[in-house]
Order: sequence, then C-alpha cells, then structure tokens
Amino acid sequence: DGGITQSPKYLFRKEGQNVTLSCEQNLNHDAMYWYRQDPGQGLRLIYYSQIVNDFQKGDIAEGYSVSREKKESFPLTVTSAQKNPTAFYLCASRTSFAGGRSPLHFGNGTRLTVT
Amino acid sequence: DQQVKQNSPSLSVQEGRISILNCDYTNSMFDYFLWYKKYPAEGPTFLISISSIKDKNEDGRFTVFLNKSAKHLSLHIVPSQPGDSAVYFCAASEVRGGNQFYFGTGTSLTVIP
Repeated sequence: DGGITQSPKYLFRKEGQNVTLSCEQNLNHDAMYWYRQDPGQGLRLIYYSQIVNDFQKGDIAEGYSVSREKKESFPLTVTSAQKNPTAFYLCASRTSFAGGRSPLHFGNGTRLTVT
Repeated sequence: DQQVKQNSPSLSVQEGRISILNCDYTNSMFDYFLWYKKYPAEGPTFLISISSIKDKNEDGRFTVFLNKSAKHLSLHIVPSQPGDSAVYFCAASEVRGGNQFYFGTGTSLTVIP
C-alpha cells in the first residue's frame, strides 16, 4: 500500500536537545511538506520541498531545519532554538502533475513533547 | 495574519440532516481550494477540492460551493452520518504562487444519532 509513514508516533525529549522526525513516502510524489498543529490554530507550514535538494521556508521555519537528499524522505529537525516545540507534527506530500491542482496527502503525525 | 478562516469552531447536526461548514479567505490570488477531515491523533484525509474556474463540485454526499466574489466556500454533507463526526479543515492555495497550502483553524462536526 502506498502512503506516508511518520515515525515515531510519540516522541519525548528534554529541553535543549535537538530531535529529528522521520517522514518517508512511497507515492512517488515530488513535493513534501511539514506542518505543525497546535490547539485552536489549525495547520501551519514549517518547510516544504518541491524537488530533491531544494526546500523553502514556510511561515514558522524558525528553530527548524530540513533536508531532502532523497525523493522519498523529508526529515525535520526540531532544534533547541525552537521556543515552543511541543506540538503535533504532520508530514504531507503531493504529486506535481495536474498543473499544481493536486491535494496534499498526510501521514498520521508525530506528537512531540518537550519537557 | 490568518488568510483562511473558519469562524465556527463547532457544529452539531442530527443524523440524516444537512451539515454546512463554512470557510472564508482573504487572498484573492487563491485559486485551488480543498476540504479535509481529521480524527484525533491522525493525519487529515482529503475529501474534495474545487478550482476557482468552478463554483460547485460534488462527490457523493459531499458538495463544495465556491463564491469568489465573497471569498467564501462551503462544504455540504447530505445526509449526515455519525461517522462524519470529525474536525473539518478548509485549505487554499495559489497554484502559480509556490504551492503553499494555507489552512483554516477547523470546525468540529458532531452528528447526533
């Protein structure tokens, strides 16, 4: 079955530590995205990548970093510089066909708790 | 500033009746709109989309209406079923503007049996 796999589902870290969230897709999608969900705030874009070795900042990129070395993988690192890292993180991907009018497909998320 | 807004945090509807979820946007350059359904601790699932060249799109029990002059879209679910109970997000994108997707804050729908 094709899909997007985010691991782990729950992640706990101490304040001051960097942590990397995994996102893998086998949908052969070109574009991949990272969103963050906080209560009452909807989904906010952290980073996105339209092709391998290229990525752009979203609205809330500060304190995060990404890499896109392979088409299938788009890991997100939450650094110690992120002031409020506790959140639900969602990875998504989409095909570049259909002239840009293709939906995002989401993984099941990683809940990160930093104490 | 929130470019996509869902002003109703929650909605309750009787089973079998129509559910209407609303969404407003501020950016007139948006030309692709989507609705997603989300259960707790899961990722959103794509429901239906509409391009700005249309004003209506149907898929089974789900219909999306777009009013470009009012910068408003709505999702109609008919008939509503208990399994429809979830949080619904609308999203918008400017296709030529880099393919960022902007999401509303969600509306929690409860369908009462």
